[in-house]
This record gives sequence, structure tokens and C-alpha cells, in this order.
Amino acid sequence: DAKTTQPTSMDCAEGRAANLPCNHSTISGNEYVYWYRQIHSQGPQYIIHGLKNNETNEMASLIITEDRKSSTLILPHATLRDTAVYYCIVRVSAGGYQKVTFGIGTKLQVIP
Amino acid sequence: NAGVTQTPKFQVLKTGQSMTLQCAQDMNHEYMSWYRQDPGMGLRLIHYSVGAGITDQGEVPNGYNVSRSTTEDFPLRLLSAAPSQTSVYFCASSPLRGSGELFFGEGSRLTVL
Repeated sequence: DAKTTQPTSMDCAEGRAANLPCNHSTISGNEYVYWYRQIHSQGPQYIIHGLKNNETNEMASLIITEDRKSSTLILPHATLRDTAVYYCIVRVSAGGYQKVTFGIGTKLQVIP
Repeated sequence: NAGVTQTPKFQVLKTGQSMTLQCAQDMNHEYMSWYRQDPGMGLRLIHYSVGAGITDQGEVPNGYNVSRSTTEDFPLRLLSAAPSQTSVYFCASSPLRGSGELFFGEGSRLTVL
């Protein structure tokens, strides 16, 4: 699996959009970008994933650059409950060799 | 539907003792894995399995053993606990088809004195 690079921490005002960047310059053609978040000491929770098209669900939007070397997770209206560590990983979606590694992630602090 | 269940949630061991962290999932997922999380280190992969009878090492396998005799269970064994193994351990599972989403347990906090 390819490695990712994320900022260590970010702040966002409550009610504003939180834009979390991720670099994955060595991503392979069959690897997807996944985002997870970990609130306090709970187990990480899946947010969204995509291959090359932008994706949106009820939690967030994922914007992937055309060359697929970077992506941005967007939380459109951040709330205090979105304060968490956000992990960006890349992996083959399914059916392949499944060594899934995480980095340190980005600690997002939503400020009232 | 219980998802991924880890036991125990908390455990205190003395150096040299052995123990097993249990992980069970009821989603018929082929892929299962163990991570440890230490302050400032993120999640580090210990061992993983892509099916019954198949296991492989992750980033930090030393001091840990695993086996996968059934699809549902993936226990993590510490044969001789060391203070360096004090950590929070997470088990995760994923189908090998479909979205590839990882489902995590609630974690097991282990302290080795």
C-alpha cells in the first residue's frame, strides 16, 4: 500500500467547512483513497472512499485531484462533535492482498 | 448485529505473563487485523489475516502471535508481556469484496507493569 502524508493538526471554526488535505503521490492505479476518523479513544470509523471521481455522502465530500496524487476531505459544516483524528489511507478496495497501514493522521480541533 | 467484539476491554499484566486478546466478528469478513496505538504513533499494524489458516506480519509483529482457525475469530497472543507492549489494541475486519471498508472494535487497553 502507498504511503500518505497529512498535516499533524488543524483548527476549524464551528459551522465552517473543514478541509483536510492528504498527499499520496505514489498511489497505484488500482488503489482507492479512504478516510477514517477516530473520536477520542474509540475505534476508528469509516467516512468515505473514492478512486478518481469526487464522492459525497451524508458525512463528507472527497475531492481527488486529476493526477490522483492528492485529495481533500471536506466536512461542510463542522461541529464540535467532528473534533477527532482523521486518517487518510490508500489501499486496494477488495479482492487483493490486504496489508492496510495507517499513519499518524490529522488532529482536527473544531473551535466554538 | 454485534460487528467486531474485543475482549477484554482493560487488562493489567506483570512483565513475563502471557495473555490472549480476543477478537470476534459476525459479518463473515475474510480480512481481519490487529493494530496497536501509542501516543503520537498513530495506528501500527501488528498482524493480519485474509482468511482462515492464513496470517501474515504487519509493521510491528515482534512479541505477538496470531492464528486464524475460523473466519470469525482472530486472537492476539502475548507470550511474555513486556512494558513496551503497554498500548491500546484495536482489531479490525473487512470483506474482501465490496467497499473494502474496515470495521473496528472498541479497543483493548493493556498495561504491562
